[in-house]
Amino acid sequence: DIVMTQSPDSLAVSLGERATINCKSSQSVLYSVNNKNFLSWYQQKPGQPPKLLIYWASTRESGVPDRFSGSGSGTDFTLTISSLQAEDVAVYYCHQYYSSPQTFGQGTRLEI
Amino acid sequence: EVQLVQSGGGLVQIGGSLRLSCTASGFTFDDYAMHWVRQTPGRGLEWVSGISWNSGSIDSADSVRGRFTISRDNAKNSLYLHMHSLRPEDTAFYYCAKGPYTRSWFDHWGQGNLVTVSS
Repeated sequence: DIVMTQSPDSLAVSLGERATINCKSSQSVLYSVNNKNFLSWYQQKPGQPPKLLIYWASTRESGVPDRFSGSGSGTDFTLTISSLQAEDVAVYYCHQYYSSPQTFGQGTRLEI
Repeated sequence: EVQLVQSGGGLVQIGGSLRLSCTASGFTFDDYAMHWVRQTPGRGLEWVSGISWNSGSIDSADSVRGRFTISRDNAKNSLYLHMHSLRPEDTAFYYCAKGPYTRSWFDHWGQGNLVTVSS
């Protein structure tokens, strides 16, 4: 199984500042045939299901604010929130869908 | 608006069975793969099983293979998870989720159902 490891486990950032969450996969999730990284990012607030933010490592889902961006390739990925808003307090997860079983990172708790 | 409304869940004894349901609306159900994902405080998010639009491709995690069966009824816009031989470690919130594909991101999620397996 591909192991997804996020860092840090928790993060406190001031309002308006940049937040950066890292995700490392135990093997590459880059599919050479289409040159796409099979990686997505989710935001989960208390009492709610996860919400899709990013897929193909860097494609923002429709309706997601442009302060959220994804980057990286191969085994190392980053979710960046350019200017933290109060409503961004949540747990963030990365997810690989390159191979079965699909696996998630352990989550990063983001606080103000 | 895409909606995934879940039902089922609850308390079940060790070794028992349970069926979860997920009824979809707001999109053409039989155009998309569907999945079950579970979540526990200890193990985080865990993909359980996925099914293609026509049920032609089904995949499951090793931890549930042979005990859980995913199925869908496109005429009823419904997804199911039939769970048998339940174990305490199956205790979790279970979410249905919409793919585009059997190997893909999950763009919409149900509200979740708690399944508790206990003696």
